[in-house]
Amino acid sequence: EPEVTQTPSHQVTQMGQEVILRCVPISNHLYFYWYRQILGQKVEFLVSFYNNEISEKSEIFDDQFSVERPDGSNFTLKIRSTKLEDSAMYFCASSAQRGGGNEQFFGPGTRLTVL
Amino acid sequence: AQSVTQLGSHVSVSEGALVLLRCNYSSSVPPYLFWYVQYPNQGLQLLLKYTTGATLVKGINGFEAEFKKSETSFHLTKPSAHMSDAAEYFCAVSAGNQGGKLIFGQGTELSVKP
Repeated sequence: EPEVTQTPSHQVTQMGQEVILRCVPISNHLYFYWYRQILGQKVEFLVSFYNNEISEKSEIFDDQFSVERPDGSNFTLKIRSTKLEDSAMYFCASSAQRGGGNEQFFGPGTRLTVL
Repeated sequence: AQSVTQLGSHVSVSEGALVLLRCNYSSSVPPYLFWYVQYPNQGLQLLLKYTTGATLVKGINGFEAEFKKSETSFHLTKPSAHMSDAAEYFCAVSAGNQGGKLIFGQGTELSVKP
């Protein structure tokens, strides 16, 4: 069964460093998302991406964040200069169709720890 | 604006007992509603969803949920809990006129006692 994969599963970095979180969405999906979950808090929407551009982004997704689909398979989230408060589990998701009623398939997450 | 509230961050039931996980939502437009489950070290997996039509929705693993507009609720139930149901459960809402972003509740951790 097709699945979304994410690497690495756990990343530890120093404050101020750049990190890139990688995701491989399901191959025929066209819509991609990043969410994050700070420990003990809700899963929060960060950004959606379609046709090589951002469709929607939340207030959390400031200039420190960027997304890219560098090739036909990967979807990346970059944090330019990490802060302590960026420590969280980051989930990538993809869907075949756009619109509120369509299922998003989630990856297992990357746990980012900023020291 | 949309929001989701899950009552109870932790629910514990005995094996074979009824499972009831509560979810209330707020939405200014007709909502699409979802329940996702997360097992340890895995991603979120869709259990069931409500978009339109029948308000009682059946999902995988024997779970079902009923959309009650008057109560703005979408509670998840299962008649008989199994040990394998132990996981974190997330209720989420999405607006039909937007690009599909999901607004999640805080999650409910379900424990099943033998």
